[in-house]
Amino acid sequence: DIPMTQSPSSLSASVGDRVTITCRASQSMGTSVNWYQQKPGKAPKVLIYATSSLESGVPSRFSGSGSGTNFTLTISSLQYEDFATYYCQQSYSSLRGFGQGTKLEIK
Amino acid sequence: EVQLVESGGGLVQPGGSLRLSCAASGFTFSTYEMNWVRQAPGKGLEWVAYISSSGGLMYYADSVKGRFTISRDNAKNSLYLQMNSLRAEDTAVYYCARTYVRLRGYYFDSWGQGTLVTVSS
Repeated sequence: DIPMTQSPSSLSASVGDRVTITCRASQSMGTSVNWYQQKPGKAPKVLIYATSSLESGVPSRFSGSGSGTNFTLTISSLQYEDFATYYCQQSYSSLRGFGQGTKLEIK
Repeated sequence: EVQLVESGGGLVQPGGSLRLSCAASGFTFSTYEMNWVRQAPGKGLEWVAYISSSGGLMYYADSVKGRFTISRDNAKNSLYLQMNSLRAEDTAVYYCARTYVRLRGYYFDSWGQGTLVTVSS
């Protein structure tokens, strides 16, 4: 497996804030990183695939960037419904692991 | 509408076995790669296993290799996870997840609601 290190592990922010979550890979992933959002008691939902492609139906305040070993998920203006846990996932190797998650909480 | 419904979870003793099922509907199951992903209580997501659309190729996380077996029955639109030699650390909600392949990459676009497996004496 290729370890994916997410930071921070938790984050407090306010509605309207701009937030960035980082995912670092131990080797180059090209652009093969996805981002998911999970709310308590629910299955994850894909937000961004292939580093920067927005999944259909996902608000445009979500964006992704990066390449190689460093990737970011940015939420441009936090809304109440965005408080959740976010995970990166590598889709580069056959062992398609996730980062440890970032819990985004209301300040 | 795509639906994935897991079943088969429950309480099992350490060293025991359990078989999870995932019933798929609303799409042509035989053309999609599938996965199992688990989440221990209060913890993050852990990818567990992958199977190709035909069932001829499987991959496993190191943590379950040699103990778990992923399989599918395309005629029954069903995905399975046979779990043997279960340990306390296998306690988790187990999700089945569909792989969606695009030109730029693949991701898990549809998930079931999960089934809870508890390994305890």
